[in-house]
Amino acid sequence: KNQVEQSPQSLIILEGKNCTLQCNYTVSPFSNLRWYKQDTGRGPVSLTIMTFSENTKSNGRYTATLDADTKQSSLHITASQLSDSASYICVVSFNTGFQKLVFGTGTRLLVSP
Amino acid sequence: SQTIHQWPATLVQPVGSPLSLECTVEGTSNPNLYWYRQAAGRGLQLLFYSVGIGQISSEVPQNLSASRPQDRQFILSSKKLLLSDSGFYLCAWSGLWQRGTEAFFGQGTRLTVV
Repeated sequence: KNQVEQSPQSLIILEGKNCTLQCNYTVSPFSNLRWYKQDTGRGPVSLTIMTFSENTKSNGRYTATLDADTKQSSLHITASQLSDSASYICVVSFNTGFQKLVFGTGTRLLVSP
Repeated sequence: SQTIHQWPATLVQPVGSPLSLECTVEGTSNPNLYWYRQAAGRGLQLLFYSVGIGQISSEVPQNLSASRPQDRQFILSSKKLLLSDSGFYLCAWSGLWQRGTEAFFGQGTRLTVV
């Protein structure tokens, strides 16, 4: 069964600190892995997309890594800001010719002052 | 630039009433369109997708239906809402499928069936 699991479920960190969110998946055949940021009550916004051959991709203070062998990904946030408080969703897509996305349940991050 | 509009933002409807949620995309042509539902504490679930006008594929059996009357318009409907239809509904669009194709989401509709 195609699944995406994320950990931790929720996380509280102090402003300015770094954190790492984890994503494990069993989706096959794998096409790409995405990280989205979703503010409460809003639609998800893409942070990064990585294909099979990419090991890391950065977007400002966000750095995503991918290990396709172990089917694991991480999202590292450096120098956290209050505006980073949101849910971070890991999404893995099939390689079936059209876009099918398997969504994780997300990690809810709270950055406190 | 491309934009996606989804409305209404929130909706409270009684059980048994009809539903119509609308999504439109601007700045692109022939997009792939999607309707997702996000239940509390769960990942997004794909409900419908469309690769062209009048072409609708359903992912899960349910009380809802979708239509695409125009290239950049996607509508989610129900004739009679159930309590279990409550949730956060998201419309999304993407270009033609490629490995790095991006998917863009609307702002969502919070539906509460009472």
